[in-house]
Amino acid sequence: DIQMTQSPSSVSASVGDRVTISCRASQSIASWLAWYQQKPGKAPKLLIYAVSNLQSGVPSRFSGSGSGTDFTLTISSLQPEDFATYYCQQSKSFPLTFGAGTKVEIK
Amino acid sequence: EVQLVESEGDLVQPGGSLRLSCAASGFSVSTYWMSWVRQAPGKGLEWVANIKKDGSEKYYVDSVKGRFTISRDNAKNSLYLQMNSLRAEDTAMYYCVREWWYSSGDYWGQGTLVTVSS
Repeated sequence: DIQMTQSPSSVSASVGDRVTISCRASQSIASWLAWYQQKPGKAPKLLIYAVSNLQSGVPSRFSGSGSGTDFTLTISSLQPEDFATYYCQQSKSFPLTFGAGTKVEIK
Repeated sequence: EVQLVESEGDLVQPGGSLRLSCAASGFSVSTYWMSWVRQAPGKGLEWVANIKKDGSEKYYVDSVKGRFTISRDNAKNSLYLQMNSLRAEDTAMYYCVREWWYSSGDYWGQGTLVTVSS
């Protein structure tokens, strides 16, 4: 199975800050990586697919980058509605696997 | 508008069975791979299973193989998850998910809670 390691597990930040979340795969997953945002009590929401493609309706302050095994989600200027937990997911091979999540908290 | 609505979950005894349903609207399930993803209370996301558009291929996480069966009825525009031999560790919110580009989940249901306890 491909293991997905996210870091940090949590980050405290202020509105307006730039936030970067990392995700490392245990083997190359090419472009088979997605990022999700989940707020308490809600279903996850797709932010980015295929490493860097912004899902329709997602603000442009979210961006994704990386290749092979190392990937990054960047929020360029944190907004109040961005405080949530973020997950990466690989879909290169079965079983599909998620990272453990990164909780973005208010500083 | 795309919607995925899961059937109501339940409290089930260990060793028991439960069948989850997911009714889709706003699109035809026959044109998408579909998945189930679960989330134990206070924990992260875990992919459970998925099924090809025509139902000819199915994949499962190891922990549910031989116990869970994913299926679909394209005529009813619905997805199912038959869960047998349930264990306490199957307790989770179960989400029905439409797979999109690169198997990312672009639409998720609201989730249904399955509790396995005596």
